[in-house]
Amino acid sequence: KNQVEQSPQSLIILEGKNCTLQCNYTVSPFSNLRWYKQDTGRGPVSLTIMTFSENTKSNGRYTATLDADTKQSSLHITASQLSDSASYICVVSAGGGGYNKLIFGAGTRLAVHP
Amino acid sequence: DTGVSQNPRHKITKRGQNVTFRCDPISEHNRLYWYRQTLGQGPEFLTYFQNEAQLEKSRLLSDRFSAERPKGSFSTLEIQRTEQGDSAMYLCASSSRRPGGRGYNEQFFGPGTRLTVL
Repeated sequence: KNQVEQSPQSLIILEGKNCTLQCNYTVSPFSNLRWYKQDTGRGPVSLTIMTFSENTKSNGRYTATLDADTKQSSLHITASQLSDSASYICVVSAGGGGYNKLIFGAGTRLAVHP
Repeated sequence: DTGVSQNPRHKITKRGQNVTFRCDPISEHNRLYWYRQTLGQGPEFLTYFQNEAQLEKSRLLSDRFSAERPKGSFSTLEIQRTEQGDSAMYLCASSSRRPGGRGYNEQFFGPGTRLTVL
C-alpha cells in the first residue's frame, strides 16, 4: 500500500532556531517527492520538488533532501521566522501512467514562538 | 495567490441540504483535481479531470458526490443530502504537462472551501 509518514506530528521552536522535519514513504513506482507548506485555512503551496536523481534542493531558508535508497526525505528550515508557522506536508507522486497520483502525508504542524 | 480560485470560501449548511462548490483553475491548465482534507490530515484525492473528461474517481466519492467540468475550464463539485461526516476542507488544484517531456505535473492548489454540516 502506498503510504507517506511524517514525523514529528507537531513541533514548537523559538524564532531564529533551525528545525528538521522527516518523511518516510513506501510508494511505487516513485516519480517525485514534494514538500508543501499549508497555512491554516489555506491551500498547500509548493516549496520543493525532487525527482529520483536529485538528493537536495533549496528554496530560500528551506532545504529538502531525498534518499531514494532508504525512501526518506527531510525538510530543514534555517533561521525560523514567525511566518514559518504552518503545516508542512510531504507528498510523493506515484508514476507509471499519464496521471501522477499524489500520496499525501498527514503533515507536521510547526509553531514558531517569539 | 497560486492563480486557482475557489468559491465560496466557507459554507455552513444543515444536514440533508445540497451544496455546490466552484473551482476556477489557472487558465492554461488542462488538468483539474478535487481533494478533501479533514482536520490534522493531508488532502485525500477525490477525482480528476483532463479537459472536460473525468478520468478517475476515488472510492471516497460516494453516489452523493458529483463533479463536472463542462467546458474544460471551471469545475463544480456538488454534494447531495449532506451528512455531518462531509464536513471538511474541499481543495481544488490544477496542473499542466510540461511541453515536450514527462514533466512534474506540478499541482497548484486553491485556497479551499471549508464546509460545515450542522
